Amino acid sequence: DIVMTQSPDSLTVSLGERATINCKSSQSVLSSSNNKNSLSWYQQKPGQPPKLLVYWASTRESGVPDRFSGSGSGTDFTLTISSLQAEDVAVYYCQQYDSPPYTFGQGTKLEIK
Amino acid sequence: EVQLVESGGDLVQPGGSLRLSCAASGLTVSPYWMAWVRQAPGKGLEWVATVNQDGSATYYVDSVKGRFTISRNGAKNSLYLQMNSLRVEDTAVYYCARQNYPFDHWGQGTLVTVSS
Repeated sequence: DIVMTQSPDSLTVSLGERATINCKSSQSVLSSSNNKNSLSWYQQKPGQPPKLLVYWASTRESGVPDRFSGSGSGTDFTLTISSLQAEDVAVYYCQQYDSPPYTFGQGTKLEIK
Repeated sequence: EVQLVESGGDLVQPGGSLRLSCAASGLTVSPYWMAWVRQAPGKGLEWVATVNQDGSATYYVDSVKGRFTISRNGAKNSLYLQMNSLRVEDTAVYYCARQNYPFDHWGQGTLVTVSS
């Protein structure tokens, strides 16, 4: 099984500042079929289901603000929020969808300083 | 509006059974794989099961293999999860999701509580 490990577990950032969340997979999630990294990022606010933000490691989902960006390849990935807004307070999860079990990271809780 | 709506969650005793349903509206799901993901109270997300487009292939997390069965009905645009031999540790909100490589649409979830 591919283990997904996020860091940090929690993060406190000032409004307007940059937030960076890291995700490391225990093995490569590069898809052999399309040479893309099968890595997605989700945002979950309290009482709500997760929302897809980024897929194929760096493709932003339609409607997601451009302050959210994903990067990385192989086993190391990053979600960056360029200028934190109050509505970005949430828990963020990475997930690999290359092969079952489709594992998630443990989550990173993002708060405002 | 695109919606996935789960139902069937309830309080059940250990060893009991429950069947969850997920109905899609405003969203066609037949061309896509579908999945169930759960979240225990105060915990993170855990993928549970996936079914391919025609139901001929299914995948499960180890902890539910032999106890849970995922299935779908294309005509009804619906997804199901039959859960048998339930354990206290199966207590969670269960979400259905469309699996278009990433999980791009999610329902609001249904709560399953396993307790005596």
